[in-house]
Parts: sequence; C-alpha cells; structure tokens
Amino acid sequence: IAGITQAPTSQILAAGRRMTLRCTQDMRHNAMYWYRQDLGLGLRLIHYSNTAGTTGKGEVPDGYSVSRANTDDFPLTLASAVPSQTSVYFCASSGTSPSGANVLTFGAGSRLTVL
Amino acid sequence: GQNIDQPTEMTATEGAIVQINCTYQTSGFNGLFWYQQHAGEAPTFLSYNVLDGLEEKGRFSSFLSRSKGYSYLLLKELQMKDSASYLCAVMDSNYQLIWGAGTKLIIKP
Repeated sequence: IAGITQAPTSQILAAGRRMTLRCTQDMRHNAMYWYRQDLGLGLRLIHYSNTAGTTGKGEVPDGYSVSRANTDDFPLTLASAVPSQTSVYFCASSGTSPSGANVLTFGAGSRLTVL
Repeated sequence: GQNIDQPTEMTATEGAIVQINCTYQTSGFNGLFWYQQHAGEAPTFLSYNVLDGLEEKGRFSSFLSRSKGYSYLLLKELQMKDSASYLCAVMDSNYQLIWGAGTKLIIKP
C-alpha cells in the first residue's frame, strides 16, 4: 500500500441497502476525511476525524456515518442508501508539506450509483 | 455565506500560457490551495499560498492577494497532459477547506 487505498472502486446498489466504503492509509496521518464530488459542485465534506477515536460532522453528514478505531482505517457507511447519494466519494488524509501547509492526499475514489 | 468562484471551463493552446482565476469570500483565511484533478482520478496538490505574492514551482505559479480575495494559477508552456480540472480551495478561520467547483482546462494542439 502506498498512500490511500479505497474500496470498492465502483459499486451499483439498490436503494435501501446498506453500504460501507473502505479507506486505509499508510502514511500515519492523524487527520482523515470523506468527501463527495458531484458535477458542477465543489468537494463537499461529509465527515472527518482529527485523530483515532474521534470523528466530526462536515457539511453534508446526513445519511452517513464513520468510525475511526485506529490511525489507518476510516470507513464510511451508508445505512440505507438513497438515489441522491449517487456520487464519487473520496477519502483523504492530511499531513504537513515542507512549506508548512496542511496538504490533503486523496484516495482514487469510489464511484457509487444508487438505483 | 462562504463562496469560491472560478470559471467553469477554459480552452488554451499547447505551448501557450493560461491564467485560471479564483475569487473567494470566506469567514477568515488560513491559506489558499490549488489542486489538479485529471478526469476520473483523485485531486493532487499543486500549490499553497498564505502570504500575498507569487509562488513559482516550475511551469506552474500561484498568486494571492488577500485584500482582494483573489488568486490565480498560471500555467506556462502548456502540454497536453495539463488538460485537467483545477480546484481552488480556501482554509477558513475554523481550518475547514472550502472548495470551488473547479475549472476544466482543455488544451488544444
């Protein structure tokens, strides 16, 4: 593993089904994030975790939950999927660049279609 | 409310120079970021500005004016591989990132 790994890469599921998107990082970053990306909109933060054992709500948290049992893993769960959750989901973690900036490293994304 | 504005799409010619503008209105400011995102891929970090002025990194430069709430990304000697979306993001007073919708840059031969 190098960086952030997301799974699955893509998934089609029926409305009402439960779905967990997996995210694992090997950079020992404390902070991790889940974003969704929809056409014509900026990245929107769903949930975040500043450190293992803590989580927080972002801009669009409804219908989603997360957990952070350890530093490396940050799964996102849709308890009962709805068509409006059709989107591309990106997991990210943040570390500090040489310039001191809090830079995000993104996973490759999970394309989710809810029918 | 907080807002990031950038053009939806721009077209430029291979070998030329293009400037992508970003204006922002946020509650506080703790830095501005530019990310590049190729179609179907993840965003990757390009540049960071927290003080006014120009930051140069190879063919790419980024400028910031905090008093005007304005930044631009300058791409020189355009190559076909520069065809991508360019995302502007501002870190607000709560250290949350506010993202623009991105500018799709099309490079023509």
